[in-house]
Amino acid sequence: SYVLTQPPSVSVAPGKTARITCGGNNIGSKSVHWYQQKPGQAPVLVIYYDSDRPSGIPERFSGSNSGNTATLTISRVEAGDEADYYCQVWDSNSDHRGVFGGGTELTVL
Amino acid sequence: QVTLRESGPALVIPTQTLTLTCTFSGFSLSTSGMCVSWIRQPPGKALEWLALIDWDDYKYYSTSLKTRLTISKDTSKNQVVLTMTNMDPVDTATYYCARTPRQVAHAYYFDYWGQGTLVTVSS
Repeated sequence: SYVLTQPPSVSVAPGKTARITCGGNNIGSKSVHWYQQKPGQAPVLVIYYDSDRPSGIPERFSGSNSGNTATLTISRVEAGDEADYYCQVWDSNSDHRGVFGGGTELTVL
Repeated sequence: QVTLRESGPALVIPTQTLTLTCTFSGFSLSTSGMCVSWIRQPPGKALEWLALIDWDDYKYYSTSLKTRLTISKDTSKNQVVLTMTNMDPVDTATYYCARTPRQVAHAYYFDYWGQGTLVTVSS
């Protein structure tokens, strides 16, 4: 089964750049999607198809995907960006199924 | 405006069957490329994808839970139903439904989510 690995936590000072990684075997060959989840709320899609932003998501959020690592980058981090972030792919190699990473808690110092 | 809302019991007795309904608006499941998924999240833990149904009534299930899950749709009512048999305390979680557009083959993502419904499994 396909596994996505995220660091449990990332800390960043306000105004700096946060990078959250998502590791998977040859993940660069898949489309990666990212979700932001604040406490007590449903997840919100922030990046899809590796680097596309839904309407309403600030340009500070960007994504990249190559080799065995996908990365969500948040520039000029704000206190309101503090949340859990999840990466997700669709694994169609064996059983067709959705796969989420374990999540990364972003702390704004 | 796309909205989804989950409904179902807040408490389930172990071994019982859970039935959840997702009622949505702002899109149609009869539209080519449109799908709806169910995803759950145990308290304090990560998201877990459960099942997907597409506009053509094709269904995908979590490998580990496929023997316990059934997903179905009622296009006329704009509803998707998920049943999970033989519930156990480890199935305690917030259950979400989410719109799942298929713009690229085998690259599904979840662009609109319901607010979720907490299901507790306990005797």
